Amino acid sequence: DTEVTQTPKHLVMGMTNKKSLKCEQHMGHRAMYWYKQKAKKPPELMFVYSYEKLSINESVPSRFSPECPNSSLLNLHLHALQPEDSALYLCASSPGRGTDTQYFGPGTRLTVL
Amino acid sequence: KQEVTQIPAALSVPEGENLVLNCSFTDSAIYNLQWFRQDPGKGLTSLLLIQSSQREQTSGRLNASLDKSSGRSTLYIAASQPGDSATYLCAVITGGGNKLTFGTGTQLKVEL
Repeated sequence: DTEVTQTPKHLVMGMTNKKSLKCEQHMGHRAMYWYKQKAKKPPELMFVYSYEKLSINESVPSRFSPECPNSSLLNLHLHALQPEDSALYLCASSPGRGTDTQYFGPGTRLTVL
Repeated sequence: KQEVTQIPAALSVPEGENLVLNCSFTDSAIYNLQWFRQDPGKGLTSLLLIQSSQREQTSGRLNASLDKSSGRSTLYIAASQPGDSATYLCAVITGGGNKLTFGTGTQLKVEL
């Protein structure tokens, strides 16, 4: 298995909802990432987990809460989001060293009403 | 702070043409540089990775070069095809690693 999977593909939520995005990989990678991408912009790093520990938080608002339950799974919990949080959320993984190739999932298209 | 710029922002070429996409970065202390392809509304596909000690990498019709001292990389696409139409992003890793800084992207359209 050489891919990163993300669910759901699309998500529409209200500003008072709580939802979660899920990312999974079975390549034995030990680093996992969340990126946010707005239309016609490059991806922006949100969080990095290395060996299941949060190693980078790019000053992301607390309404985004990451979780790494095990080395194969990465979640992003969403609560009290704003319409400007609507974007494509991309997950990626890499073998573990900081200089490795990152493999990206297809993304979750999030719309906040 | 590392800044990555890509020129041109958009490019339209006829099928069969050879083309060059450019990427420049402000901090030459990089670990590596990656080129990605992104189709509309989709995730990123890694095309080539060049380590800081390398000068170029090739994969099929793609060739990427790196000049670290001048802060530049180019992606050469030979004999372009309509299926090459996508946005191409370069990204670099600097500092403590793990953190990719992406360029602004080049939107390529190859016409029949």
